[in-house]
Amino acid sequence: QQQVKQSPQSLIVQKGGISIINCAYENTAFDYFPWYQQFPGKGPALLIAIRPDVSEKKEGRFTISFNKSAKQFSLHIMDSQPGDSATYFCAAISSGSARQLTFGSGTQLTVLP
Amino acid sequence: DAGVIQSPRHEVTEMGQEVTLRCKPISGHNSLFWYRQTMMRGLELLIYFNNNVPIDDSGMPEDRFSAKMPNASFSTLKIQPSEPRDSAVYFCASSLLGDMNTEAFFGQGTRLTVV
Repeated sequence: QQQVKQSPQSLIVQKGGISIINCAYENTAFDYFPWYQQFPGKGPALLIAIRPDVSEKKEGRFTISFNKSAKQFSLHIMDSQPGDSATYFCAAISSGSARQLTFGSGTQLTVLP
Repeated sequence: DAGVIQSPRHEVTEMGQEVTLRCKPISGHNSLFWYRQTMMRGLELLIYFNNNVPIDDSGMPEDRFSAKMPNASFSTLKIQPSEPRDSAVYFCASSLLGDMNTEAFFGQGTRLTVV
């Protein structure tokens, strides 16, 4: 069961453009939504995260938009740079004692110079 | 802190052999996760431990897979016997349970190839 659906699978953006990755979830028990960035040969690393009581969070060029009623959230990368080329995973963490991560399927972003 | 440490980084083994992957979590973390990453299935949670106790192993694909965490600073994932379809990158991650803004820190992964 895919609890977090992510799109698109791949994305190509020109340098300076805006990259947008979308995710949707089904489980209302999720209460924390991180985004991970993964470079080839490396493990995923936390990029930015949001709680459902906030509709937007911005850190530098990265912004998460959150729509609780629609159970959707998205990552926007402003002024995309070639160094942003990586695989991005949205994730969700369930409330309760476990706090396990459920990942989306990933988006491979390529920013052209 | 050196972060989550996994070994080996690469493992090539023949079908039928036993494979053991190792993980040292970040000191002070009390949750440990094993993930498998493939192109077809993405990142899959195999098992996770809280305070060295396995909480959910429903993601372990078959009885050929087993995981242990004998103490807070060490965990193993064993595959016996290994099969070509087990080829993947296996990640270990750790976090501090109880922190509402939980961040899981991942190791560099072990790339397993079963031939």
